[in-house]
Amino acid sequence: GNSVTQMEGPVTLSEEAFLTINCTYTATGYPSLFWYVQYPGEGLQLLLKATKADDKGSNKGFEATYRKETTSFHLEKGSVQVSDSAVYFCALSDYGGSQGNLIFGKGTKLSVKP
Amino acid sequence: DAGVIQSPRHEVTEMGQEVTLRCKPISGHNSLFWYRQTMMRGLELLIYFNNNVPIDDSGMPEDRFSAKMPNASFSTLKIQPSEPRDSAVYFCASSFRTGLKSTEAFFGQGTRLTVV
Repeated sequence: GNSVTQMEGPVTLSEEAFLTINCTYTATGYPSLFWYVQYPGEGLQLLLKATKADDKGSNKGFEATYRKETTSFHLEKGSVQVSDSAVYFCALSDYGGSQGNLIFGKGTKLSVKP
Repeated sequence: DAGVIQSPRHEVTEMGQEVTLRCKPISGHNSLFWYRQTMMRGLELLIYFNNNVPIDDSGMPEDRFSAKMPNASFSTLKIQPSEPRDSAVYFCASSFRTGLKSTEAFFGQGTRLTVV
């Protein structure tokens, strides 16, 4: 079945460090891929998305490229801030198969220290 | 739009009691999801509705859990009887789906349930 695997955290970085959170997926068909962010005490918010191979999603300095050949959608940011501390979820949407529900990875907690 | 609205935000109840969680999706959205989040299991899909019809309830843990969507603007998740292991944050999300395409899901703030 479809699945998402993302690197386990927690990840602790200093402010202005480079961030990579790895995400790989298994899917039939042509899923869309997403990164969601969850700040403490809040629900998940969409951070960025890509709907087809080679698309690059970007938002708030974060980027991720949909790589079909490596089935990956790694999240990157060149210079993290304390305010980026949150839990990040990689997800895929299975359009052609199950009915369009989102399948989430387990989440990666990021802590950025001043 | 105010986004997905869930109530209550926090619920503390005694074991054996009935608990009802409520969700109002974004107006115009036709897909609604209930998720449960715990430290141990992460984010789990419990049930998914499309056009008010339950499509996939394979994630519902057991018969103590039930969900309804009587109309396009309201859904409930009920636990009866509740147990301490049901303690979690329950999220509702909605999206718009047409054919094989769907918008991203928009999440509510969640209901933090504690069963003592």
